[in-house]
Amino acid sequence: QLQLQESGPGLVKPSETLSLTCTVSGGSISSSSCYWGWIRQPPGKGLEWIGSIYYSGSTYYNPSLKSRVTISVDTSKKQFSLKLSSVTAADTAVYYCARQDQAATGTGFDPWGQGTLVTVSS
Amino acid sequence: QSVLTQPPSASGTPGQRVTISCSGSSSNIGGNTVNWYQQLPGTAPKLLIYSNSQRPSGVPDRFSGSKSGTSASLAISGLQSEDEADYYCATWDDSLNGLYVFGTGTKVTVL
Repeated sequence: QLQLQESGPGLVKPSETLSLTCTVSGGSISSSSCYWGWIRQPPGKGLEWIGSIYYSGSTYYNPSLKSRVTISVDTSKKQFSLKLSSVTAADTAVYYCARQDQAATGTGFDPWGQGTLVTVSS
Repeated sequence: QSVLTQPPSASGTPGQRVTISCSGSSSNIGGNTVNWYQQLPGTAPKLLIYSNSQRPSGVPDRFSGSKSGTSASLAISGLQSEDEADYYCATWDDSLNGLYVFGTGTKVTVL
């Protein structure tokens, strides 16, 4: 069964770059039908899609974050990563990674990682 | 601010049927399939419905989804205490070069 696990610092200083990695286990990251995405949720608020990547490296970003976001993939390590630059307190959120398998569940994200809380504070 | 509007809350007693609406526009729901997610307290979201009305393996048939025009709905029949959670609709929005958007979320309370 496919599982995803986020990892990275839980505390980032304002104006610095947030960096997270999602490790995929129990399945292939190079499946031709899968995209890999990042979604975040500020405390007590709703969900926001950050962006997605294909195993070949093609990326799709939320236009509202595009200038600050970079998503990359390392198929040899079965990992994909998120970098968000120039962070502010507004970027404090639980960050989730998830899979979109168009052959299985269309554009639905499934499964999700457990999420990791990143706090932006000096 | 989300482009998909949901009621902030819904409630029912055990065994009742609860329906959650998701209102969008021609650039999102009107032209794309809708997904629904369930988020139990303190946990990651879980895909409940995909492609408007399809249930992933393991999701009880008490949950059903539908779409008409620029709106979608999630119905929970035979409401159970474990259904108390936040529910989000989601779809692609074809404006702004593509954007996956989530609804504002609905908190379902089992009375």
